[in-house]
Amino acid sequence: AQSVTQLDSQVPVFEEAPVELRCNYSSSVSVYLFWYVQYPNQGLQLLLKYLSGSTLVKGINGFEAEFNKSQTSFHLRKPSVHISDTAEYFCAVAKTSYDKVIFGPGTSLSVIP
Amino acid sequence: DTAVSQTPKYLVTQMGNDKSIKCEQNLGHDTMYWYKQDSKKFLKIMFSYNNKELIINETVPNRFSPKSPDKAHLNLHINSLELGDSAVYFCASSQARGVNEQFFGPGTRLTVL
Repeated sequence: AQSVTQLDSQVPVFEEAPVELRCNYSSSVSVYLFWYVQYPNQGLQLLLKYLSGSTLVKGINGFEAEFNKSQTSFHLRKPSVHISDTAEYFCAVAKTSYDKVIFGPGTSLSVIP
Repeated sequence: DTAVSQTPKYLVTQMGNDKSIKCEQNLGHDTMYWYKQDSKKFLKIMFSYNNKELIINETVPNRFSPKSPDKAHLNLHINSLELGDSAVYFCASSQARGVNEQFFGPGTRLTVL
């Protein structure tokens, strides 16, 4: 079964500093990858997704992620974080285009003023 | 206009009671989902409906019964509530099944005493 690992459960970072949130998935012939964000007391919303094509994916709010097949990773990056980026970030994976999406355990990003 | 709405937002009840959570989406989507998010923020899919047909039915106690009266609504009924059912329940919808973007509701926080 497909699975997702987010090694960092909590990531504190100072405002305007860069951040990388790590995501690794179990190897598969094909894979579809997502990052969702959950702001406090809200539902999740899509940041970006990789279905095919360019391995560098740009999303909303200045986030981007790079699909690395050899390392089975899909790390999320932002060059300069804001206080408003404080949230829970979920990496997610699907094995086929019709498969269910499996969510990782989440990484809590705290931006320190 | 709220895209995916859930009622109630908070639900506090005693063990053994039966309760329902309602979900409605006004996005014209074909697919709807129920997720459970535990206290550690882990998100697990429970059910998914596509055009009123059940397509995902995860390993969930049969005390949980989803019902989709039409494409825009997906309700969740829980019988004989247990302490372990305490969680935040999220409804979501997507244009079609599979790897399409999911739009989440604000969640229903269920507390079983």
